[in-house]
Amino acid sequence: EVQLVESGGGLVQPGGSLRLSCAASGFTFSSYSMNWVRQAPGKGLEWVSYISSSSSTIYYADSVKGRFTISRDNAKNSLYLQMNSLRDEDTAVYYCARLFRDFDYWGQGTLVTVSS
Amino acid sequence: QSALTQPASVSGSPGQSITISCTGTSSDVGSYNLVSWYQQHPGKAPKLMIYEVSKRPSGVSNRFSGSKSGNTASLTISGLQAEDEADYYCCSYAGSSTLRVFGGGTKLTVL
Repeated sequence: EVQLVESGGGLVQPGGSLRLSCAASGFTFSSYSMNWVRQAPGKGLEWVSYISSSSSTIYYADSVKGRFTISRDNAKNSLYLQMNSLRDEDTAVYYCARLFRDFDYWGQGTLVTVSS
Repeated sequence: QSALTQPASVSGSPGQSITISCTGTSSDVGSYNLVSWYQQHPGKAPKLMIYEVSKRPSGVSNRFSGSKSGNTASLTISGLQAEDEADYYCCSYAGSSTLRVFGGGTKLTVL
């Protein structure tokens, strides 16, 4: 059974940093590209970042470019999102999602709250 | 990249059919057959219901179907059931750097 479990969310002040993790199991993690997608409270979904299976290709949404860094460790079956210079508008539930037949598996999400 | 346009809400009675539209542009929906639809119940993660415009993942009911014409994609749910009540989001490939753009979401109410 495919499982994606996010962790690392919490309350952080504006300008602060946070690192999210996503632990994958039930599939060959190193064969799939992965993504982060977020959802602000009461709002819709927003794609945040993409990383290919070998980490050779990385993309970011314009809203996070230069502040967020996606990475992965295939030996540990883990995906990461380093978030720096956090803003109020980054407050959201952050989901990791596998990209195969589009976003076919999602984690349960981890809440990031940016507030003073 | 602007979000795709969906109606804020739709409703239908049990057993009826409803259609949710998703309007994009020639840079996303109109150019690629990579439109997907997601169902999200309150407090839950999104679930893939349709990919590549009209394909259903294993385990998704055949009451769900997708189509596309020009810059507009559509999700049709036939034989509405109470458990279909949820938010639905469309999503389209939008080029190599933007990768994916989502619609604003549609709240489906089963009367």
